[in-house]
Amino acid sequence: IVLTQSPGTLSLSPGERATLSCRASQSVSNSYLAWYQQKPGQAPRLLICGASSRATGIPDRFSGSGSGTDFTLTISRLEPEDFAVYYCQQYGNSYTFGQGTKLEMK
Amino acid sequence: QLQLQESGPGLVKPSETLSLTCTVSGDSISSSNYYWGWIRQPPGKGLEWIGSFYYSGSTYYNPSLKSRVTISVDTSKNQFSLKLNSVTAADTAIYYCVRHPGSGWVDGFEIWGRGTMVTVSS
Repeated sequence: IVLTQSPGTLSLSPGERATLSCRASQSVSNSYLAWYQQKPGQAPRLLICGASSRATGIPDRFSGSGSGTDFTLTISRLEPEDFAVYYCQQYGNSYTFGQGTKLEMK
Repeated sequence: QLQLQESGPGLVKPSETLSLTCTVSGDSISSSNYYWGWIRQPPGKGLEWIGSFYYSGSTYYNPSLKSRVTISVDTSKNQFSLKLNSVTAADTAIYYCVRHPGSGWVDGFEIWGRGTMVTVSS
C-alpha cells in the first residue's frame, strides 16, 4: 500500500490549526493507520494508532480521523514544540510509511 | 524503563554485509508479548520498515529487502541483530530498532532506539 501525504510542507504560526492528509493507494484494513512526529536528530514518536487513538502521553490537541483511503491528523492549536516532520504509516498490509509532511513555523 | 540501543560499524564497504545489534533493557525479548524489528531512514528521506520478529513465532521481512536481510535473536544477551548483505550506497541510512505489538488495532511502532548511522562507502 502506497501512502501519499499532503501537503509536502505546511507553514503555520503557533496557535493555528494544522490539518495533515494521508491518502492510501488502496483501502487500509480496519483503519490500521498510525501517525508519527519526528524532530531533527531524534527518532520518530508514535502519536496516533488505529487512525484515531492517541498513544500514551500524547496531548489531546493531536487528533486523528479517517477510514478507507483517506486519513487526517489535526493539531488543534499549534505549540512551538509541534513544528516537526509528520509521517503516516499503515499496518494493515505489511508496514509502509508516507513520505512525510514538514510542519514549519511561519 | 524500556530502552533500545543500536550498535555496530558506522562504515561498511559496498558489496559487504551490514551487521547491527539492538540491546534491549527493561523488557525480555523471550518472554515479551511484543514484536521486535528494524526500520531505516536514508539521510533527509522517509522511513522504511525492514523486518520484525516475534520470539516464539515468525519473522517477517519487507518484500523489497527480503532476499538480503536476516534478523536473529540472542536471548542470553537480550539482543537481536540485523544482517543486510550485498550493500550499496542506497543502504546508507540511520537504522532504528523498534518494539511493537505486532497485531491488532494498536500495532504502532511504540518504542524506538536512538538510531545508528551506517554509511556504505569504499
